[in-house]
Amino acid sequence: QVRLQQSGPGLVKPSQTLSLTCDISGDTVSSNRRTWNWIRQSPSRGLEWLGRTYYESKWYSDYGVSVKSRITISPDTSKNQFSLQLKSVTPEDTAVYYCVRYTLYNGIDVWGQGTTVTVSS
Amino acid sequence: DILMTQSPLSLPVTPGEPASISCRSSQSLLYSDGNHYLDWYLQKPGQSPQLLIYLGSNRASGVPDRFSGSGSGTDFTLKISRVEAEDVGIYYCMQTLAAPLTFGGGTKVEIK
Repeated sequence: QVRLQQSGPGLVKPSQTLSLTCDISGDTVSSNRRTWNWIRQSPSRGLEWLGRTYYESKWYSDYGVSVKSRITISPDTSKNQFSLQLKSVTPEDTAVYYCVRYTLYNGIDVWGQGTTVTVSS
Repeated sequence: DILMTQSPLSLPVTPGEPASISCRSSQSLLYSDGNHYLDWYLQKPGQSPQLLIYLGSNRASGVPDRFSGSGSGTDFTLKISRVEAEDVGIYYCMQTLAAPLTFGGGTKVEIK
């Protein structure tokens, strides 16, 4: 059974960098037909896709428009995990953050447990 | 970006009665492989979203057959043939045709 386990701080100060990690068990981050995504949810913004990383002969990453200038999503094959870094956070970045697996022709079929991140001094 | 619009915003339902949710996209979700890249998710209270329907009309594993998805191009519908109490929550459509992936605003289903 595939499992995604998130880790990272629940409180980040304004202007600092939000960093979360998603450990994968039961699958590998370089699997074919899979993308590894970060999604967040807040009352003001609803469900918002932040970006993804995936391997197709080489590594690719795509990002959401609202965070494109501040975000990095990267894989770590040695640890079988992927991570999110969001720079220069503001209170608007307060949300529940999810790492998820998307399988081609199968949708988002695995979700992490969610991490509530609050941006506050 | 592809804009996803759901309706209604809120849907009070009577157990045993049917329910229907609409999702429209700002451009066609049909890809050259013949699939529509539109998925449906249900977020039950206190839980993360769960996959109901993928590629417009395919039920995910374990999803009861009272749930069905249909549609083409830019117009899609999720139907519940007979609502049960456990179906309450917020339903979302999501397009995965092109990055950035985008969600609809959600439809809250509650029991009358």
